[in-house]
Amino acid sequence: DAKTTQPTSMDCAEGRAANLPCNHSTISGNEYVYWYRQIHSQGPQYIIHGLKNNETNEMASLIITEDRKSSTLILPHATLRDTAVYYCIVRVANYGGSQGNLIFGKGTKLSVKP
Amino acid sequence: DSGVTQTPKHLITATGQRVTLRCSPRSGDLSVYWYQQSLDQGLQFLIQYYNGEERAKGNILERFSAQQFPDLHSELNLSSLELGDSALYFCASSVGPGGTDTQYFGPGTRLTVL
Repeated sequence: DAKTTQPTSMDCAEGRAANLPCNHSTISGNEYVYWYRQIHSQGPQYIIHGLKNNETNEMASLIITEDRKSSTLILPHATLRDTAVYYCIVRVANYGGSQGNLIFGKGTKLSVKP
Repeated sequence: DSGVTQTPKHLITATGQRVTLRCSPRSGDLSVYWYQQSLDQGLQFLIQYYNGEERAKGNILERFSAQQFPDLHSELNLSSLELGDSALYFCASSVGPGGTDTQYFGPGTRLTVL
């Protein structure tokens, strides 16, 4: 699986959009970008994933550059409850043929401030 | 609530002892994954079971073992415990054996070895 690079930490004001970048310059054509977050010591929570098109769900938006070498997770209106460590993970899309474990890096610690 | 349950929430034991951690996957999920999160190592994949069979192995020590039962719940057995085994242990589940199946994590078991 391709390696990802994320900033160690970021701050965001409550109510503003939080934009979390991720570099994955060695990503392959069959690899998806996944985002999880971990609030304090809770279990990681799935946020969103995508292959090459931008994706949006009720939690966030995922913007993937055309060359797929980087992506940005956008939390449109950050709240204090969004304070967490955010993990960007690249994962091979080989359904049934590969093991499915996630490889977590150190992630970005997002602090949402009042 | 991810639908994945783990028991117990907390476990305190002594060095040299053996413990069993239990995980019930989401309804309909056939894969169970175990992860360990310690302060210095971050989230590390241990082992995956799919429909009762071992599917993939990660950084799991020989003192650790796991199994998945016919009702699909899984147990992680940790023996000859050492101080360094103190960590959060998470279980995750997914529908299929791997690929792009989204993994949903349980709340974790915090193990403290004294």
